[in-house]
Amino acid sequence: EAQLVESGGGLVQPGGSLRLSCAASGFSFDEYSMHWVRQAPGKGLEWVAGIRWDSDIIGYAYSVKGRFTISRDNAENWVFLQMNSLRLDDSALYYCVKVRDNFIQDDAFDIWGQGTVVTVSS
Amino acid sequence: DIQVTQSPSSLSASVGDRVTITCRASQMIATYLNWYQHRPGEAPKMLIFTASNLQSGVPSRFSGSGSGTDFTLTISSLQPEDFATYYCQQTYSSPQAFGGGTTVEIK
Repeated sequence: EAQLVESGGGLVQPGGSLRLSCAASGFSFDEYSMHWVRQAPGKGLEWVAGIRWDSDIIGYAYSVKGRFTISRDNAENWVFLQMNSLRLDDSALYYCVKVRDNFIQDDAFDIWGQGTVVTVSS
Repeated sequence: DIQVTQSPSSLSASVGDRVTITCRASQMIATYLNWYQHRPGEAPKMLIFTASNLQSGVPSRFSGSGSGTDFTLTISSLQPEDFATYYCQQTYSSPQAFGGGTTVEIK
């Protein structure tokens, strides 16, 4: 059974950094694009970043471009989100997600982790 | 960038009601439109992919339709476990985008 488990969330001051990790299991990880989606308190879902199965294509939301970096380790089945220059409005529950079909960059998200909470506060 | 707008933002309905949620894209997106259900305290769940394809394990009371710019999610007979927030998502072009959500509440 496909599973995603996020870790690395926590409390950080504005301007600080945090690295989120996502451990994947139960599927052929190196065939699937992976993404991060977040939900701020009381708000809707927001796509954050995505990375192709071979890391050749990477995309970011405008709100995080230049501050966040997505990466992956296909040998160990991990996805990461390095978050720098964090702002108050980056506070959210961050989900790691898997696309439905292999070898497709942008597709529906069929597997979601339970999320990890990031709180940016002074 | 392609935006997707959902309506209504919330609705009240009773068990057994037929419920319809709409999603409009700012440009033509063929059928690259997906629907999710999000219950409080749980991870979102994919219901429909590419406008009208029911995800395995999702009850048949859920259906999706549309193409181009206008899409619909229909729940044919609302059940207690269906009270949740529903989101559409366009994956036609990057950056992909979610709609603002529709909260289905108990009447």
